Amino acid sequence: GESVGLHLPTLSVQEGDNSIINCAYSNSASDYFIWYKQESGKGPQFIIDIRSNMDKRQGQRVTVLLNKTVKHLSLQIAATQPGDSAVYFCAENMRGGGADGLTFGKGTHLIIQP
Amino acid sequence: ETGVTQTPRHLVMGMTNKKSLKCEQHLGHNAMYWYKQSAKKPLELMFVYNFKEQTENNSVPSRFSPECPNSSHLFLHLHTLQPEDSALYLCASSQWGLAGGPYEQYFGPGTRLTVT
Repeated sequence: GESVGLHLPTLSVQEGDNSIINCAYSNSASDYFIWYKQESGKGPQFIIDIRSNMDKRQGQRVTVLLNKTVKHLSLQIAATQPGDSAVYFCAENMRGGGADGLTFGKGTHLIIQP
Repeated sequence: ETGVTQTPRHLVMGMTNKKSLKCEQHLGHNAMYWYKQSAKKPLELMFVYNFKEQTENNSVPSRFSPECPNSSHLFLHLHTLQPEDSALYLCASSQWGLAGGPYEQYFGPGTRLTVT
């Protein structure tokens, strides 16, 4: 069954506000996590990743937080822009180091209000 | 552009047809993947190839047959599909085997398949 899920199917935020997208995972053996963004008609686009030996990683306008105690992952987007409108997926690799595929959550549709 | 291309972008086929999906990566990666994305379902892993060797078949029906002739090319051969196989089929590639991995997977734009 699915081991990675998201709390909300849709998230609506005002342009300029910060967005927080959450994800829960159930496999404590997972050691690598990724966030993807998928726009309509396109394949998933890599945003940021984090390994289990870290609890925070920052990119350009994005931050990923990993809480292994409660098996929770979040993506924070600062100063949300219209171009951030997309479906966001978290994914995990459960067998660390191998070219094994990713297990994806259902996705959160981020809607930007003007 | 992610460096992963897929053809065709759209495909309509009957249940008795045979067709193939093609994926090519220009990133120098050594692992390639097929995923299926159905409406209202998470992306589902189908097949994994490392260095041209299939290392995972995620309980996929035999009407889907993958082929990986080299590290840059991946095919998905389709025959006698069912209407419920209609979906977006995504190809991805990644680096594998290097210290510090696993590494992110880069996806192509997908092939939108409709089975009639």
